[in-house]
Amino acid sequence: DQQVKQNSPSLSVQEGRISILNCDYTNSMFDYFLWYKKYPAEGPTFLISISSIKDKNEDGRFTVFLNKSAKHLSLHIVPSQPGDSAVYFCAASANNNDMRFGAGTRLTVKP
Amino acid sequence: DAGVTQSPTHLIKTRGQQVTLRCSPKSGHDTVSWYQQALGQGPQFIFQYYEEEERQRGNFPDRFSGHQFPNYSSELNVNALLLGDSALYLCASSPGYSYEQYFGPGTRLTVT
Repeated sequence: DQQVKQNSPSLSVQEGRISILNCDYTNSMFDYFLWYKKYPAEGPTFLISISSIKDKNEDGRFTVFLNKSAKHLSLHIVPSQPGDSAVYFCAASANNNDMRFGAGTRLTVKP
Repeated sequence: DAGVTQSPTHLIKTRGQQVTLRCSPKSGHDTVSWYQQALGQGPQFIFQYYEEEERQRGNFPDRFSGHQFPNYSSELNVNALLLGDSALYLCASSPGYSYEQYFGPGTRLTVT
């Protein structure tokens, strides 16, 4: 069963604009959410996280929003840069048990 | 400071064979998790080791087994390989029970 879903396989945005990547989940027991970025031939790199007790976490150009009632989280990148082009994975965990990942969204930032 | 390292980078095996993949965690990390990533999908959790014990396990058959050594490095063993085992195998390490894991570059396993 796919408890974490990223319904957009790809996203293309212009440099300098905002990128919004979305993620939906079904398990209400998830209490921690993470975003990872993956470049080709490399392992995923941790980007930003949020606890279920918060609804927003910001780190520089990256902001994650959590809407628990809708079981939805999103990653905002402002402004987007060509170096942000990568595959982004959403992940979630319940009580620090096994991490569940979405299928990923490929972001392309055009100069 | 070396990050998470994995060996080998690529591996080709025949159906029915056995394979061992290796992982060295990031310095200071004592927890190692293994994931399988099929093409076009996200990583799927196989199991996690902490203090040389399997702490938790995902929905994978007993053909998948592992080990953690006193220096925190780890091995993933897969017996009786199937074509469907072809995937990228990722190792991730973390300090203790931290949610934030650091991934290695992975081992690409092809079963023919």
